[in-house]
Amino acid sequence: EIVMTQSPGTLSLSPGESATLSCRASQSVRTNYLGWYQQKPGQAPRLLIHGTSRATGVPARFSGSGSGTEFTLTISTLQSEDFAVYYCQHYDNWPFTFGGGTKVEIK
Amino acid sequence: EVQLVQSGAEVKKPGESLKISCQASGYRFTNYWIGWVRQMPGKGLEWMGIIYPGDSDTRYSPSFQGQVTISADKSISTAYLQWNSLKASDTAIFYCARSFVPDTAAAFDYWGQGTLVTVSS
Repeated sequence: EIVMTQSPGTLSLSPGESATLSCRASQSVRTNYLGWYQQKPGQAPRLLIHGTSRATGVPARFSGSGSGTEFTLTISTLQSEDFAVYYCQHYDNWPFTFGGGTKVEIK
Repeated sequence: EVQLVQSGAEVKKPGESLKISCQASGYRFTNYWIGWVRQMPGKGLEWMGIIYPGDSDTRYSPSFQGQVTISADKSISTAYLQWNSLKASDTAIFYCARSFVPDTAAAFDYWGQGTLVTVSS
């Protein structure tokens, strides 16, 4: 089973700043088999990125990069609605697993 | 419009059985994998397992294998998650979600609203 580790646990930033979230896999994941989700309190998760592509309707300020065991979600200019918890997930082989999440909070 | 509508909240006692549902609409149900995700109170997302309704091919996380059963009824476009004997530690929100690629298990683009299961004596 691939273990996904996200860092940092919490990121305290101000609106307008950029955010860099990291996701490390315990073994190599094929580049297009990594997804990122956003979850706000009381809501279901929302798919942001699959591979290096944005999901339908996701603003261009969200981008995904990385390969092998190191992946990054970048939010270029934080908007008020971006403060949430973010999860990575691989879907390379069974079982698909999620990382523990990074909370992006208002500083 | 793609929609996944889950059954309502449940309150059960330890040892009881339960089956929750996820009714899909707006797409060809048999062509997309549907998965289940657990979120315990205040915690992160856990991938439980996934089913391809076209042929009922089902895969489980080792953490959930033998603890739950995932099934699907093509005739009514509905996926299920069931327990034979609930424990207090099963208290969580359970989400169903659809793979974003037809015929391929992948990331989830559409999610149900979640079903809160509370197990308490």
